[in-house]
Amino acid sequence: QSALTQPASVSGSPGQSITISCTGTSSDVGGYNYVSWYQQHPGKAPKVIIYDVTKRPSGVSNRFSGSKSGNTASLTISGLQAEDEADYYCSSYAGSNTWVFGGGTKLTVL
Amino acid sequence: EVQLVESGGGLVQPGGSLRLSCAASGFTFSSYWMHWVRQVPGKGLVWVSRINSDGSSATYADSVKGRFTISRDNAKNTLHLQMNSLRAEDTAVYYCARQYSYGLFDYWGQGTLVTVSS
Repeated sequence: QSALTQPASVSGSPGQSITISCTGTSSDVGGYNYVSWYQQHPGKAPKVIIYDVTKRPSGVSNRFSGSKSGNTASLTISGLQAEDEADYYCSSYAGSNTWVFGGGTKLTVL
Repeated sequence: EVQLVESGGGLVQPGGSLRLSCAASGFTFSSYWMHWVRQVPGKGLVWVSRINSDGSSATYADSVKGRFTISRDNAKNTLHLQMNSLRAEDTAVYYCARQYSYGLFDYWGQGTLVTVSS
């Protein structure tokens, strides 16, 4: 049950695109199409923005997109906006009814 | 409107016990698997435990196995987490979350803070 690996921080200017990676193993990210991404603003609960690797919940901007290749999943945010500044966490089903989260990535909009 | 409201957090001494609750409303509670996820202030999310819809099956993170017990009361739409033998490293905000599918925790509570300290 080791945490998924995410970069500690990423940054970008308004209007730019950024990508956050999430690296696991064949027992979690690589083994299932059950990767999700959560956005968390300070003092708030996490909010899902991507699930099942590529799906967006109703109401989430299409500027958010997800993908996966092998044991690494990625979240891309296009057309960065100031309100995108937050912490982002990936999560994956890890088999045997267990789940694992990434360590989190702080996004700074310059 | 789906709502999850945690309660029961507080200050407890190392070795002590605490029982968290999560009151659910706005959906058919008995139809969903539920989870507890914790977050040390300033740190990342960590999955803690999951229980199936009728309460007959539970799984735990290795870090809490044997010390924490998840349960639910579907008649009262409430999820619980009994935490025993608490350690300083259990200090965190504890969130309950609803599982929509294996790849989606779609609703989260606002969390309750547990502080383990002498």
